[in-house]
Amino acid sequence: ILNVEQSPQSLHVQEGDSTNFTCSFPSSNFYALHWYRWETAKSPEALFVMTLNGDEKKKGRISATLNTKEGYSYLYIKGSQPEDSATYLCALYPYNQGGKLIFGQGTELSVKP
Amino acid sequence: SQTIHQWPATLVQPVGSPLSLECTVEGTSNPNLYWYRQAAGRGLQLLFYSVGIGQISSEVPQNLSASRPQDRQFILSSKKLLLSDSGFYLCAWSDPGLARDTQYFGPGTRLTVL
Repeated sequence: ILNVEQSPQSLHVQEGDSTNFTCSFPSSNFYALHWYRWETAKSPEALFVMTLNGDEKKKGRISATLNTKEGYSYLYIKGSQPEDSATYLCALYPYNQGGKLIFGQGTELSVKP
Repeated sequence: SQTIHQWPATLVQPVGSPLSLECTVEGTSNPNLYWYRQAAGRGLQLLFYSVGIGQISSEVPQNLSASRPQDRQFILSSKKLLLSDSGFYLCAWSDPGLARDTQYFGPGTRLTVL
């Protein structure tokens, strides 16, 4: 079973700072890598799905990259705002797992105004 | 468009009491369905998933069970709750026809076992 590691566990930044977190995985045996954003008292919301080595996705100030050869994905937030405060989850959709996603523990981001 | 409903939103139950959480999905057919739990200070843990009516796979041994009596209905149950069952329970669905399998989550149920 793939083990998905996220770092750091938590991050506290000031409004306007740019930040990034890492999702690490030991194998490239997966169909896709997902990033989700989970705000307190809400449901996790899909941000990006990436499938190919070198994939880059962008949504506003948030972007993500995928490197399957070295086993990591980065999520970047440019100019963090208080509304970016949330837990960011990484998940793999591995081969031969019947549609299950394997989630990391998440990175909890807090942006202070 | 597709929507997913969960109820109740919050629940406080005594130890040893039964549990029934319900999840329904609208606007799609034959979805994959999932139950997750987030315990305090921990990540998202997959409890059960289902690829069709009556087909349930359990991910972790526990005193919980799941059932799928209809195509778009997924129920999480327990006969006797434990303190360790407290947590935030999320139901999710995905389209089995899409290999990338984005999951869409319901609003969740906050369960406190006292």
